[in-house]
Amino acid sequence: QKEVEQDPGPLSVPEGAIVSLNCTYSNSAFQYFMWYRQYSRKGPELLMYTYSSGNKEDGRFTAQVDKSSKYISLFIRDSQPSDSATYLCAMSDSNYQLIWGAGTKLIIKP
Amino acid sequence: DGGITQSPKYLFRKEGQNVTLSCEQNLNHDAMYWYRQDPGQGLRLIYYSQIVNDFQKGDIAEGYSVSREKKESFPLTVTSAQKNPTAFYLCASSGLQETQYFGPGTRLLVL
Repeated sequence: QKEVEQDPGPLSVPEGAIVSLNCTYSNSAFQYFMWYRQYSRKGPELLMYTYSSGNKEDGRFTAQVDKSSKYISLFIRDSQPSDSATYLCAMSDSNYQLIWGAGTKLIIKP
Repeated sequence: DGGITQSPKYLFRKEGQNVTLSCEQNLNHDAMYWYRQDPGQGLRLIYYSQIVNDFQKGDIAEGYSVSREKKESFPLTVTSAQKNPTAFYLCASSGLQETQYFGPGTRLLVL
């Protein structure tokens, strides 16, 4: 079993829909959680960073961490075609190494 | 502008040849990383360095080598021992927090 599980998709939704992306993990020591967005043939860019449990909101994006269930989510409101990308979750127990999900490919249809 | 640069954008390797990928950062970050990404897959850690003149193997270090002679630079050499080098190579750096910042990547192809 991988330490971090993420559905690879693709996930296809119509423009304007609310998108929910998820990762599950097995290591209860993880306390730093990140979401990255990667466009095709580009380097990943940091979208959201959360420490421990709770919610964090930034514009149309909301990151949610449920440590009791070992489950993290990224919600995108009012999705746009420009949100079409691969979304990678990553997490750490503070040893400088990130453990990565495989990434979910998201397609927003106009 | 602060950031991470990688060069070249595309690199072609002949069989038996060693090639070196460049990674430079001006973010004053202590830690630097090299990842490999294959189509439809996540990131796999090749090597990382937390301080100058020191580096550690990641999950897939075989067939690769690195050096960290300067804080700003962390070049990766893909040796002839790496039998399946075709992939997208990403360099990253991090400062005091765990978040990593990535360069634009180098795509390595085998002739």
